[in-house]
Amino acid sequence: EVQLLESGGGLVQPGGSLRLSCAASGISFSTYAVEWIRQAPGRGLEWISTDLRSGVATKYADSVKGRFTTSRDHSTNTLWLQMNTLRGEDTALYYCANLKDNSWGQGTLVIVSS
Amino acid sequence: AVVTQEPSLTVSPGGTVTLTCGSSTGAVTSGHWPYWFQQKPGQAPQTLIFDTDNKHSWTPARFSGSLLGGKAALTLSGAQPEDEAEYYCLLIHGDTRVFGGGTKLTVL
Repeated sequence: EVQLLESGGGLVQPGGSLRLSCAASGISFSTYAVEWIRQAPGRGLEWISTDLRSGVATKYADSVKGRFTTSRDHSTNTLWLQMNTLRGEDTALYYCANLKDNSWGQGTLVIVSS
Repeated sequence: AVVTQEPSLTVSPGGTVTLTCGSSTGAVTSGHWPYWFQQKPGQAPQTLIFDTDNKHSWTPARFSGSLLGGKAALTLSGAQPEDEAEYYCLLIHGDTRVFGGGTKLTVL
C-alpha cells in the first residue's frame, strides 16, 4: 500500500523560506510521480508542481515558478518542496499526492504571516 | 487556462446529476486527461475518476466520467446522502495542470 506523509509546515514571515517533505513508502520511488497541491483556507484546490520521476524536469504553476523547487532524496524515499520568498497568498494546506493512484497525504499547513 | 465548474448543484436522494468541467482554451478532449476528485469537509481529496472515464478501485459504481458537449462530465446516478461533498475536476494543459473551482453538491 502506498503511503505519503507530509511534514515541515509552520508559521513563517513574508519573504521567508520553508522546506516541506513528502515521505513515500510502498512504491518504487525513483519512477513515482508526485504532485504538490495546496488549498488555502476555505478555498479550492490549486496545483503547484508535478515531479514525474528522477531525471525529468519538474513542472511548476506560474504562481510559484522561480520561488519553489522540488528535489528527491532516494536514500530516504523523500520528496522535498523548497519554498522561498513566501507570500501571504502561499498560506495553505499543502498536499503531496499521486493522483492516478489516489495516494494523498494528510497535508501540512503553511502560514505566511508577520 | 481557466477551468470552470458549476459552483453548486443539488440532487435528490436516488436522483441523477451531471457535473461539468469546461476549459477557457476550447473543447475538453481526452488529451486533457480529465480527473475528478471528491472532497468532504476536513478530509483530503480522493481521486474518483482519471483519464476521462477510468474509475479508481474505491470509486462507487454510481459515478461515471465522460466527455459531453465539449466538456468533461461526472455523472452520479442514484445519489446517496454520503455523496454530499465538494467535487473538483482537473485538466492537463501541456506541462501544467489546472483545477476547476469546485462544485458543492448537496443531496437533499
